[in-house]
Amino acid sequence: GDSVTQMEGPVTLSEEAFLTINCTYTATGYPSLFWYVQYPGEGLQLLLKATKADDKGSNKGFEATYRKETTSFHLEKGSVQVSDSAVYFCALRASYNTDKLIFGTGTRLQVFP
Amino acid sequence: KAGVTQTPRYLIKTRGQQVTLSCSPISGHRSVSWYQQTPGQGLQFLFEYFSETQRNKGNFPGRFSGRQFSNSRSEMNVSTLELGDSALYLCASGWGGENTEAFFGQGTRLTVV
Repeated sequence: GDSVTQMEGPVTLSEEAFLTINCTYTATGYPSLFWYVQYPGEGLQLLLKATKADDKGSNKGFEATYRKETTSFHLEKGSVQVSDSAVYFCALRASYNTDKLIFGTGTRLQVFP
Repeated sequence: KAGVTQTPRYLIKTRGQQVTLSCSPISGHRSVSWYQQTPGQGLQFLFEYFSETQRNKGNFPGRFSGRQFSNSRSEMNVSTLELGDSALYLCASGWGGENTEAFFGQGTRLTVV
């Protein structure tokens, strides 16, 4: 079945460091891919999305490119801030006629001053 | 524009009781999905409703049920509560069409004692 695999956390970085959180997926069709972020005590917020191969999603300095050849959607940011500390979830939506999301296990990011 | 509203935010129930959680989607959204989030299992899909019809269902026992009303508001019910049902229950709404994203509420934290 469809699935998402994320790198284990926590990821611990100093402020202004470069961030990469790896995400790979398995899907039979042509999924849409998403990154969501969850701050403590909150629900999920959509960070960025990509709906087809080679699309690049970007928001608030975060970027991810939909790579069909490597089935990946890695999240990157050039310079992290303390306020980016949160849990990041990679997710896929398998087909267009559903809003059902399949999530990875989440990666906790901790950024220190 | 109001976001997805879940009520109540917190709930404490006793084993064997039943509980009903409510979700009001963003105005105009016709799709509502429910997820269970636990530290051990992560984010797991419960079910999805679109225009009052269940469109998808996850692998949960029959104790978990849901419905959607004509105004797109949704409820989920858990009967005969077990300790393992303690979790954050998240609701997401969307347009339900192609290339759209899901917007999440803040969740209902259910504790079963």
